[in-house]
Amino acid sequence: DTAVSQTPKYLVTQMGNDKSIKCEQNLGHDTMYWYKQDSKKFLKIMFSYNNKELIINETVPNRFSPKSPDKAHLNLHINSLELGDSAVYFCASSQRDRGTGNTIYFGEGSWLTVV
Amino acid sequence: AQTVTQSQPEMSVQEAETVTLSCTYDTSESNYYLFWYKQPPSRQMILVIRQEAYKQQNATENRFSVNFQKAAKSFSLKISDSQLGDTAMYFCAFASQGGSEKLVFGKGTKLTVNP
Repeated sequence: DTAVSQTPKYLVTQMGNDKSIKCEQNLGHDTMYWYKQDSKKFLKIMFSYNNKELIINETVPNRFSPKSPDKAHLNLHINSLELGDSAVYFCASSQRDRGTGNTIYFGEGSWLTVV
Repeated sequence: AQTVTQSQPEMSVQEAETVTLSCTYDTSESNYYLFWYKQPPSRQMILVIRQEAYKQQNATENRFSVNFQKAAKSFSLKISDSQLGDTAMYFCAFASQGGSEKLVFGKGTKLTVNP
């Protein structure tokens, strides 16, 4: 009964390819996120959606395009992959105003390696 | 913009002993949330403990407790009776109350528990 699940967990691909990572949460949350963890393990937010609407876009290249078909899903599509895109991408979710204090729950991460 | 600083890149502790991880943050807000997340080698992000800034009482979760000093903007994590399974990266994180709904992370502290 994984709360936040993302697929694939591992992805190795060549430069220039286009790839997608899918995320689903079964917590009933209204807000979903994509975070990137680089090789130095620094975590930074990329995008946030609330009820399918984009609310945060943190200076991410246009090659990254999130899509939220409904509030339980947030997918990340990456065009023209570059070596610097190699990272672990975490999907996460939270619920406003439920007394959880913006507690954000993370998926297991998707390890992307661009060769 | 908020910033989170973890001044100890690495720490080690003997099994069964107590260790304290430091975290300071910078914000002009009066209401916010603070978190500690644990990331074991599996890379999954696991919530350890959460503190609401408006609560003076320090949060505790079993062997984990925090020392929250609002005026000093300090939020340290104490792990009592350390166990081998506590070996992980520990990230301190800040979230505003409402608003942008994102976590700002510190750079992490790598904790090793030695047998």
